[in-house]
Amino acid sequence: AQSVTQLDSQVPVFEEAPVELRCNYSSSVSVYLFWYVQYPNQGLQLLLKYLSGSTLVESINGFEAEFNKSQTSFHLRKPSVHISDTAEYFCAVRRVEGGSEKLVFGKGTKLTVNP
Amino acid sequence: EPEVTQTPSHQVTQMGQEVILRCVPISNHLYFYWYRQILGQKVEFLVSFYNNEISEKSEIFDDQFSVERPDGSNFTLKIRSTKLEDSAMYFCASRADRGGYGYTFGSGTRLTVV
Repeated sequence: AQSVTQLDSQVPVFEEAPVELRCNYSSSVSVYLFWYVQYPNQGLQLLLKYLSGSTLVESINGFEAEFNKSQTSFHLRKPSVHISDTAEYFCAVRRVEGGSEKLVFGKGTKLTVNP
Repeated sequence: EPEVTQTPSHQVTQMGQEVILRCVPISNHLYFYWYRQILGQKVEFLVSFYNNEISEKSEIFDDQFSVERPDGSNFTLKIRSTKLEDSAMYFCASRADRGGYGYTFGSGTRLTVV
């Protein structure tokens, strides 16, 4: 069954530094991958998703993720982070079983951007 | 942009009491979900709902839990007799159709059982 692993539980970085949040997936079939962001005391917001086509997907706030089939990865990157990017980031995969589907989330990575 | 609305945003209840968490999914969506997130832990799937019945439920979703779509707009999660370990953030989500990969999540209800 499809699953995702987020290797880093916490990532502290300084403002304007680049960041990479890692996500590896496990799937034997075509895979749909998502990154969600949760700002403090808020809900889950879709950041970006990979369904098919171009392996590089971008969000409106400067994040991008690259689907890498050979490495079974979908890492999230941003070349220069802001204080406002401090949040928890969840990688998720669409899992289909027995005719029903759902999202399955990783454990999350807490990104803290320091001045 | 259409939203999934959850009420209340925060609920405190005594152990053993029944609680109902309410969600208004996006109006043309057909698939509905409840997830929960215990403080500091991952977001866990509870249940999915389609065509007025449960499509799938997790091991967490035991007999104490139930879901309903009573009036075609609201989607509720009921916990019959709350336990301390039910304290968590509960998220409702909806999705358009079989080909719709856009899951829209609500802002969540923080349930605190004391």
